[in-house]
Amino acid sequence: KQEVTQIPAALSVPEGENLVLNCSFTDSAIYNLQWFRQDPGKGLTSLLLIQSSQREQTSGRLNASLDKSSGRSTLYIAASQPGDSATYLCAVVANAGKSTFGDGTTLTVKP
Amino acid sequence: ETGVTQSPTHLIKTRGQQVTLRCSSQSGHNTVSWYQQALGQGPQFIFQYYREEENGRGNFPPRFSGLQFPNYSSELNVNALELDDSALYLCASSGIGMTAYTDTQYFGPGTRLTVL
Repeated sequence: KQEVTQIPAALSVPEGENLVLNCSFTDSAIYNLQWFRQDPGKGLTSLLLIQSSQREQTSGRLNASLDKSSGRSTLYIAASQPGDSATYLCAVVANAGKSTFGDGTTLTVKP
Repeated sequence: ETGVTQSPTHLIKTRGQQVTLRCSSQSGHNTVSWYQQALGQGPQFIFQYYREEENGRGNFPPRFSGLQFPNYSSELNVNALELDDSALYLCASSGIGMTAYTDTQYFGPGTRLTVL
């Protein structure tokens, strides 16, 4: 059974700081890993998708890496801003399209 | 391009009732997945539909059922509601090809279900 863990559960940083969010998964037989952000009470917004054959993806100030063999992914956020405050979720897609999510890291960026 | 929409936004039901939630997928997408998200937790996979057929199912009882229509919109039906069914229900659409389930998932805003 696939399990996804995100550490830390919550993180508070001052504006401008660079930060790393972690995601680990127990079964390396995945098709891809996707990072999302979720604002309170809202749906999920896709940030980055990394296919199993890829090592990293970048979009603006975001960079996500994938090490499938060790079951780990990181989301790097550069020069954080108050607007980055949200819950960040990672999800792995395995057989038959089943997605398994972590419980997220709630990020607060203080002005 | 129209995004993923869900209806209704909020719903209040009593224990034992039945509910139907609806999802319109993003234009051109042929895969829809449904998730249940309890407060403070990540979404839990309920099931996925690909071209009107169930393509995978999570650990949810049979009283959770679904449909996908020829226009790729979808319904989630829950029978015999229990208090623990109170949650945010999310649908996501993806893909236009044979490997649609490996593509980026685009989520709707969700339906907040409260069971009293």
